[in-house]
Amino acid sequence: EVQLVESGGGLVQPGGSLRLSCAASGFTFSSYWMHWVRQAPGKGLVWVSRIDSDGSSTSYADSVKGRFTTSRDNAKNTLYLQMSSLRVEDTAVYYCVRDGPPGVFDYWGQGTLVTVSS
Amino acid sequence: DIQMTQSPSSLSASVGDRVTITCRASQSISTYLNWYQQKPGKAPKVLIYAASSLQSGVPSRFSGSGSGTDFTLTIRSLQPEDFATYYCQQSYTTSLYTFGQGTKLEIK
Repeated sequence: EVQLVESGGGLVQPGGSLRLSCAASGFTFSSYWMHWVRQAPGKGLVWVSRIDSDGSSTSYADSVKGRFTTSRDNAKNTLYLQMSSLRVEDTAVYYCVRDGPPGVFDYWGQGTLVTVSS
Repeated sequence: DIQMTQSPSSLSASVGDRVTITCRASQSISTYLNWYQQKPGKAPKVLIYAASSLQSGVPSRFSGSGSGTDFTLTIRSLQPEDFATYYCQQSYTTSLYTFGQGTKLEIK
């Protein structure tokens, strides 16, 4: 069974940093592209970042470019999102997502809440 | 950047109704269009991929169509468990994916 379990969310002050992790199991993690998608309270889904299967290529939404870094450790079956210079508008549930058939977000974690507030 | 616009933003319908949600892309995306369902407090779930392919395990009352810039999600004979928010998503550009703003389907 495919499982994606996020951790690392919490309350952080504006300007602060936080690292999210996503532990993957039930599939060959190193064969799949992965994404982070976020959802602000009561709002819609917003794609945040993508990383290819070996970590050699990443892409980011304009709103996080230069502040967020996505990485992965295929030996540990873990995806990361390093977030810095956090803003109030980064407050959201962050989902770890598998890219199945290309571009199809076929498995999602349960999400981890990041709250940026003073 | 490719913008995705869904309509309507919200919709009231009854059990047994046939419902159609539309999604328009700001430029042609061929059939690189997926549909997701999200229930409150839960992660989204893929329903339709590549515009018209039904994801495994999804009931056949869900169907998708379209290509280029205009797409539709149709739910034939609404069931109580179908009341949720639906999102379209383009995967034409692998460096920048975008979702529609969502359509909330409510019970009339």
